[in-house]
Amino acid sequence: SAVISQKPSRDICQRGTSLTIQCQVDSQVTMMFWYRQQPGQSLTLIATANQGSEATYESGFVIDKFPISRPNLTFSTLTVSNMSPEDSSIYLCSVPRRLPSGVNNEQFFGPGTRLTVL
Amino acid sequence: TQLLEQSPQFLSIQEGENLTVYCNSSSVFSSLQWYRQEPGEGPVLLVTVVTGGEVKKLKRLTFQFGDARKDSSLHITAAQPGDTGLYLCAPTPSGGGADGLTFGKGTHLIIQP
Repeated sequence: SAVISQKPSRDICQRGTSLTIQCQVDSQVTMMFWYRQQPGQSLTLIATANQGSEATYESGFVIDKFPISRPNLTFSTLTVSNMSPEDSSIYLCSVPRRLPSGVNNEQFFGPGTRLTVL
Repeated sequence: TQLLEQSPQFLSIQEGENLTVYCNSSSVFSSLQWYRQEPGEGPVLLVTVVTGGEVKKLKRLTFQFGDARKDSSLHITAAQPGDTGLYLCAPTPSGGGADGLTFGKGTHLIIQP
């Protein structure tokens, strides 16, 4: 299994400001993923962060709003820019791991960052 | 995008009762995963089902993959408060781990003592 930590664990921010969320993994991984979980909802994939290249964003998410950095194989950041109350969510990072079957993968998730925008 | 429908959306039952939650789609999946998310934590993988008609047991949890590989169910026997959480299904990532997960909307389960 992987050990994933996120900072901060929670924050309360004013609208119009930006927050950078950090994700640290205890081993080197090629791919890291960022998800958003709006209050009471499921998780939605924001983007895939591949070390050494630009992040790939899912439909409905853009780089200007959610810039991502991936400076090395154990670390990534997600910035939530020009925040509004609608950005209040839990933001989670994850990494894939090959299952013992050798065929499929599972995702290991960090504990999440709970963001409240006033 | 393969759309997964989960039902019920919310379920609150008493400790000791049995329950079943569902994950349905019109698409065929090579395999499907179930995750559970407890409050304040990220989702954790419970099981991967691969073969049509497959049944997997994890203690009091029984997972079934439909014969046509379009749907799956999770049955919990004698539910306990520790089973409380958000249950999510998703097609298993392909591409050697290059794909993120597309979750269903989930079932919020509360087991009352």
